[in-house]
Amino acid sequence: QVQLVQSGAEVKKSGASVKVSCEASGYTFTSYAMHWVRQAPGQRLEWMGWINAGNGNTKYSQKFQNRVTITSDTSARTTYMELSSLRSEDTAVFFCARGDPSRSGNFEIDYWGQGTLVTVSS
Amino acid sequence: QTVVTQEPSFSVSPGGTATLTCGLSFDSVSTTYYPSWYQQIPGQAPRTLIYSTNTRSSGVPDRFSGSILGNKAALTITGAQADDESDYYCVLYLGSGSVVFGGGTRLTVL
Repeated sequence: QVQLVQSGAEVKKSGASVKVSCEASGYTFTSYAMHWVRQAPGQRLEWMGWINAGNGNTKYSQKFQNRVTITSDTSARTTYMELSSLRSEDTAVFFCARGDPSRSGNFEIDYWGQGTLVTVSS
Repeated sequence: QTVVTQEPSFSVSPGGTATLTCGLSFDSVSTTYYPSWYQQIPGQAPRTLIYSTNTRSSGVPDRFSGSILGNKAALTITGAQADDESDYYCVLYLGSGSVVFGGGTRLTVL
């Protein structure tokens, strides 16, 4: 079965960077994309970007594109999301979510990781 | 700025029908935006309910259905149950590779 297992909670200082990982199992890793989604406490889900695990192509939300980098290690079946210049409003749970291109070519989200809490303190 | 609009809250009686909608700030929502719906119990990861407008994800009961109603995408929940109380998010795929989440609807069953 498809599983996405994310790394543990992080506490970072303002201005620092954080790198969250998402290890995939149960499917052909390179046939799918991986999205990253942010959710601040009590707030809505926000799409940050995706990486095509097959060719490494990325697409980022305009809101995050200057601060986020999504990478992938095929041999480790793991995707990473690095967010830089952290500020208090980045205190949030970050989710990875698999994107399936088979139906529409749009990397439609189907499976989700459990989430990783990142706390940014001053 | 692209905005995807949802009702902030919706209330339905047990056994009743709820229709939640998903609109787009600059266009009518059609199947070309491949609307998807996700359920999230606060404190948990989201769960995929519907993708590509009206296809139920594996294991999702047929009480949940997706459609296009007028110029919006819609999620209809029939025979509402207490454990349907959740936040529901729609997602639209903009064709440029960009993805946009709606603001979410908090469904109350009472």
